[in-house]
Amino acid sequence: TAGITQAPTSQILAAGRSMTLRCTQDMRHNAMYWYRQDLGLGLRLIHYSNTAGTTGKGEVPDGYSVSRANTDDFPLTLASAVPSQTSVYFCASSDRPEADTQYFGPGTRLTVL
Amino acid sequence: GQNIDQPTEMTATEGAIVQINCTYQTSGFNGLFWYQQHAGEAPTFLSYNVLDGLEEKGRFSSFLSRSKGYSYLLLKELQMKDSASYLCAVRDSNYQLIWGAGTKLIIKP
Repeated sequence: TAGITQAPTSQILAAGRSMTLRCTQDMRHNAMYWYRQDLGLGLRLIHYSNTAGTTGKGEVPDGYSVSRANTDDFPLTLASAVPSQTSVYFCASSDRPEADTQYFGPGTRLTVL
Repeated sequence: GQNIDQPTEMTATEGAIVQINCTYQTSGFNGLFWYQQHAGEAPTFLSYNVLDGLEEKGRFSSFLSRSKGYSYLLLKELQMKDSASYLCAVRDSNYQLIWGAGTKLIIKP
């Protein structure tokens, strides 16, 4: 199985533009997560979804929105990108929020100029 | 506040043993995770501890002391492919993972 896929692999975006990062999993996991990873910092949770139809805010949600219309897909949208959103974005999933493993996608490297 | 501390960088020799420490202060505790991350790649799961004690899995072992807010990852018989960052994460009372900044492990021949 493919596990978790993310698109695009990398992107350069002009400040003020909008963009949607895509994430799809084929493991039928209930819970999905978006993290950003910046040099010298730990992974930080942006938004999460414990099950299809529900979403929640993580540690750094400002400037980002998500939706969870079905089990497989969890897109992350930047409405109006700013340079501080330059980062590597990882999508992850787990069978349930209390599961002992989160599986990560390959990441999207985003540069906002 | 919530805090996960681990050394920024460690160096070890091929074939040796290395211990990577992690201390934490979080709002609640629902398990501690160790992940491996090679440069430019996604984190991959190594271990999970929810009870005190040692969990052994091949060349890797992970220890937890909840009373001390402390864990370590022990890597034995180091191989060059073990050169990577090792990430410690704690699941808090909201079932969200709080991550340390990671320890970059450099293996020398």
